[in-house]
Amino acid sequence: DVKVTQSSRYLVKRTGEKVFLECVQDMDHENMFWYRQDPGLGLRLIYFSYDVKMKEKGDIPEGYSVSREKKERFSLILESASTNQTSMYLCASSRAGYTEAFFGQGTRLTVV
Amino acid sequence: KQEVTQIPAALSVPEGENLVLNCSFTDSAIYNLQWFRQDPGKGLTSLLLIQSSQREQTSGRLNASLDKSSGRSTLYIAASQPGDSATYLCAVGGNQGGKLIFGQGTELSVKP
Repeated sequence: DVKVTQSSRYLVKRTGEKVFLECVQDMDHENMFWYRQDPGLGLRLIYFSYDVKMKEKGDIPEGYSVSREKKERFSLILESASTNQTSMYLCASSRAGYTEAFFGQGTRLTVV
Repeated sequence: KQEVTQIPAALSVPEGENLVLNCSFTDSAIYNLQWFRQDPGKGLTSLLLIQSSQREQTSGRLNASLDKSSGRSTLYIAASQPGDSATYLCAVGGNQGGKLIFGQGTELSVKP
């Protein structure tokens, strides 16, 4: 079974902190994605990566950056956390091309 | 710009009923369509993936169909059970390999 693991289920951070959300997949997938999910807005793509050291902006990249130094790991970075970044963050991975996507369990981030 | 709509937003049915969830999309130039299940506070679980060349896919009590020309997909759940209660999301993959655009989901409640 494909496994996508996010480092934390719940996280509480203070405004202005630098926050790291980690995601690891164990199926040698080329594609990795970060989404955020908010009531009434659904899932929105923040960043994605097709390969190591490659990244592309999604629909809402402002206030975020990413890092992919190894194929299995994709990190989302909140440079200076703000209260409007309180959300559920979901990581996903898939093989190259138009293939099935698998999601992690989600990280519920609260910025106070 | 691709838009994905799921109607109804919420559905309540008695146990044992067969039901259909609907998903529509505005741009028929899709590469695939994927159905997911999400339990409260959790990540997404992949249910079925339909490639653009396919008309339907089946897994157990689930059957998903795809009609690209009309921009519609349906998820049929046979003999519903209380354990099927969850939010069901559909997502379409376009020409930017791997990226998914999500509907808002249908929250299903199956009453014993």
